[in-house]
Amino acid sequence: DGGITQSPKYLFRKEGQNVTLSCEQNLNHDAMYWYRQDPGQGLRLIYYSQIVNDFQKGDIAEGYSVSREKKESFPLTVTSAQKNPTAFYLCASPLGTGKISNQPQHFGDGTRLSIL
Amino acid sequence: AQSVSQHNHHVILSEAASLELGCNYSYGGTVNLFWYVQYPGQHLQLLLKYFSGDPLVKGIKGFEAEFIKSKFSFNLRKPSVQWSDTAEYFCAVTTNAGKSTFGDGTTLTVKP
Repeated sequence: DGGITQSPKYLFRKEGQNVTLSCEQNLNHDAMYWYRQDPGQGLRLIYYSQIVNDFQKGDIAEGYSVSREKKESFPLTVTSAQKNPTAFYLCASPLGTGKISNQPQHFGDGTRLSIL
Repeated sequence: AQSVSQHNHHVILSEAASLELGCNYSYGGTVNLFWYVQYPGQHLQLLLKYFSGDPLVKGIKGFEAEFIKSKFSFNLRKPSVQWSDTAEYFCAVTTNAGKSTFGDGTTLTVKP
């Protein structure tokens, strides 16, 4: 929807495996974000990137890793170190250009990750 | 570190009642403030935002919010709710460094 594509929609993982969630955007935006949404806990920031080859930890980065080699792509890897990975993961990018901190976020469809 | 607190976890109202959802944030610097809404089965979408100027901002669907800097608050209001306003509402802040924090959300149920 609207320029941010997350895949797959559903993902299953065995314990001890790493898994990578894809997020692609065709909006030509500099900034991209990853959130985790759990019932009753809102959205929690995992990582964000404001420019290619640069990213910052959010509030719950432990057990996750990201890369930002291309402007269009911001993949999130859920590692085996993440103790409770079952959740709904949302990728987002601020709308518009310029100063991104005052721009609202535009969200992808999300990926639901479950542990088998 | 910044934080956002939404005091009401679940609000139940009858149609035509007035709505006020509380949002307080904790951060020592300049923030940009947002309210998002998530209707069942849909994406989060922006209701309104504030980053400067008039502290009373108006958004879509008759919603408004007031930024009170001294109280670190950004409460959402609507004078008369409709059944279609049933949704989950999230308050969020973003610092000038780009770090974004969301509240836990408030579920609003409007009875027809």
